[in-house]
Amino acid sequence: QVHLVQSGAEVKKPGASVKVSCKISGGTLGELSRHWLRQAPGKGPEWMGGFEAEDGATLYAENFQGRVTMTEDTSTDSFYMELSSLRSEDTAVYFCASGSVYATFAYWGQGTLVTVSS
Amino acid sequence: DIQMTQSPSSLSASVGDRVTITCRASQGISSFLNWYQQKPGKAPRLLISAASGLQSGVPSRFSGGGSATRFTLTISGLQPEDLATYYCQQSYNLPWTFGQGTKVEVK
Repeated sequence: QVHLVQSGAEVKKPGASVKVSCKISGGTLGELSRHWLRQAPGKGPEWMGGFEAEDGATLYAENFQGRVTMTEDTSTDSFYMELSSLRSEDTAVYFCASGSVYATFAYWGQGTLVTVSS
Repeated sequence: DIQMTQSPSSLSASVGDRVTITCRASQGISSFLNWYQQKPGKAPRLLISAASGLQSGVPSRFSGGGSATRFTLTISGLQPEDLATYYCQQSYNLPWTFGQGTKVEVK
């Protein structure tokens, strides 16, 4: 059974960066897609970017281009999302998600609350 | 971007009722439509993929249908544990987009 475990909550000041991690167990990076989504309070999830083997590259949503970087470490089956130039509107729960069917998020991390406040 | 619009935004129904949620896409997406259930404070859970494919472990009272621009999620025999917000998501075109959600309350 695939399980995703994320790093803990973060509080950041405007203009700072945040890096969230996601570790896969019960599967490997090579077998699964890896994506990042976020969810603001009372809103639906918003896809930020991710990697699908079929695409052969990490793709980012236009809303986050230039501010988000997604990386991975195959030695630990972990992947990471770094968001820079944070503003108050970036306050949200950030989720990693994965799956074996294209653009279908079958497995989710528990979520990481990122609060941006001065 | 493809806009996904769900209706209603919320509903209240009794245990045993049949509940239907509709999701409309701003353009045709064939059957590239997934449904998720999200309980308060939890991550979303994939219920149905490719419009009608029930995921392993999901109760058979959940079913999905539709194609092109109109899709439905039906709960046949609502249970207390179905209290949640339900989201549709298109997997047809980047960026992958979600509906705004339908909150289901159990009377």
